[in-house]
Amino acid sequence: QKEVEQNSGPLSVPEGAIASLNCTYSDRGSQSFFWYRQYSGKSPELIMFIYSNGDKEDGRFTAQLNKASQYVSLLIRDSQPSDSATYLCAVNIRGGGANSKLTFGKGITLSVRP
Amino acid sequence: KAGVTQTPRYLIKTRGQQVTLSCSPISGHRSVSWYQQTPGQGLQFLFEYFSETQRNKGNFPGRFSGRQFSNSRSEMNVSTLELGDSALYLCASSLGQGLLGRNGYTFGSGTRLTVV
Repeated sequence: QKEVEQNSGPLSVPEGAIASLNCTYSDRGSQSFFWYRQYSGKSPELIMFIYSNGDKEDGRFTAQLNKASQYVSLLIRDSQPSDSATYLCAVNIRGGGANSKLTFGKGITLSVRP
Repeated sequence: KAGVTQTPRYLIKTRGQQVTLSCSPISGHRSVSWYQQTPGQGLQFLFEYFSETQRNKGNFPGRFSGRQFSNSRSEMNVSTLELGDSALYLCASSLGQGLLGRNGYTFGSGTRLTVV
C-alpha cells in the first residue's frame, strides 16, 4: 500500500465551482499534513498546513483532516482559471529519527474551465 | 529574504558520466532534503541532511549521494548516469528542528537533468 495516495485525477471543473481534492495516508502516527500547488514547469509551493482534526480555512481554500479515517482533503471554492495546477498532498510520516521527512502523493492535476 | 537557490537550472549529460547539483537553503534553515520528480513516479525522496549529517535516506541506489557543509549548503551527486536518471531534482529547505512546523518545506526551482 502506498504511503500517500491521491486518486481520481485529472479533475476538471468550471470557473466558480468547488474543486474537491482528496488524499489518504497509511501511517496512523502521521502528525502534520500539507498541500502544495505546482504550476507546470515550476516548483511546488505550500498553500495549506493542517495538523488537527477538522477544517482549516484560508481564503478560498479549506483543508479538512480526519485522522480516524486517515484522509485529508482540500476544497477550493470559487475556482479560478489561475487555480489550474497540480496539487500535491504531503504527509509528515514517522520514520526512525527523521522527523522532518515529507512523503508526497503523486498529485492531482486540476483544470478550471473559463 | 532569499529563497532556496539551486544550481544549475539545466544540465545535459551523457550516460556513464557523473553530475553534482548544488542547493543553498534559506538563511537560518539547517535541513536540506532532496527529491527526484518524474511524470510517472511523482516526488520521490532521496535524502535529508541536517547539521552536516544524513538523517534519512530514500530507496535509491548508492549512485546517488549527498553531503552538507557547515553553512548548510548541500550538494548531491549522481555517478554513472543512466537514462532513467533524467528528472527534475528538487531541493527543499526547512528549519529542521524536530517535526516540520507550519511552514513545511520551501522548494528551490530545481535542476532539470537530461541524460542522453
